[in-house]
Amino acid sequence: TQLLEQSPQFLSIQEGENLTVYCNSSSVFSSLQWYRQEPGEGPVLLVTVVTGGEVKKLKRLTFQFGDARKDSSLHITAAQPGDTGLYLCAGAEAGNMLTFGGGTRLMVKP
Amino acid sequence: GAVVSQHPSRVICKSGTSVKIECRSLDFQATTMFWYRQFPKQSLMLMATSNEGSKATYEQGVEKDKFLINHASLTLSTLTVTSAHPEDSSFYICSARGIPKQRMNTEAFFGQGTRLTVV
Repeated sequence: TQLLEQSPQFLSIQEGENLTVYCNSSSVFSSLQWYRQEPGEGPVLLVTVVTGGEVKKLKRLTFQFGDARKDSSLHITAAQPGDTGLYLCAGAEAGNMLTFGGGTRLMVKP
Repeated sequence: GAVVSQHPSRVICKSGTSVKIECRSLDFQATTMFWYRQFPKQSLMLMATSNEGSKATYEQGVEKDKFLINHASLTLSTLTVTSAHPEDSSFYICSARGIPKQRMNTEAFFGQGTRLTVV
């Protein structure tokens, strides 16, 4: 099983600040997905990145897939309290398996 | 987006009884379904992978006789926790993987999760 290291594990910031979450691996993934999970609910897919170097934007969220398809980042601009949640990256490998990072718990204070 | 329905969302059962959790893909055919367990404030731990009509593949350390998985069709998978004990209390989440309509790539979508409490 390939490992995905996600950092930071926990982040507490003020509304309006920017932040970046990182997801790193020594292995190559065919694609990488980012999810957001709220307490008591299942993860909700935010984006899938497939091509090395790909950048996708979703409103104030910017996702980047590394050139070598081993790492990815999620950048949030002007964070809002509604962005609070657990962010998970997951790399897709052979056999449709998903390997999850450890998660980043984000708290945005008003 | 594609919808995966997981039922029940919460269940409380007595120690020694069995509990069945259902996972349905509502608008696409799931070639593969995954079952995860999540402890408080932690990420998802894969328990098993199942393909329609085949036996599930369990991760190391997961007891296949305790966590029975049935994947009878391309839209339904079930997880049965047999002879449940308090240490089985957890948040269980299913994921269905396939190619949704009007999409190009295989993606995974998650159910809402089931909070199991064994008393």
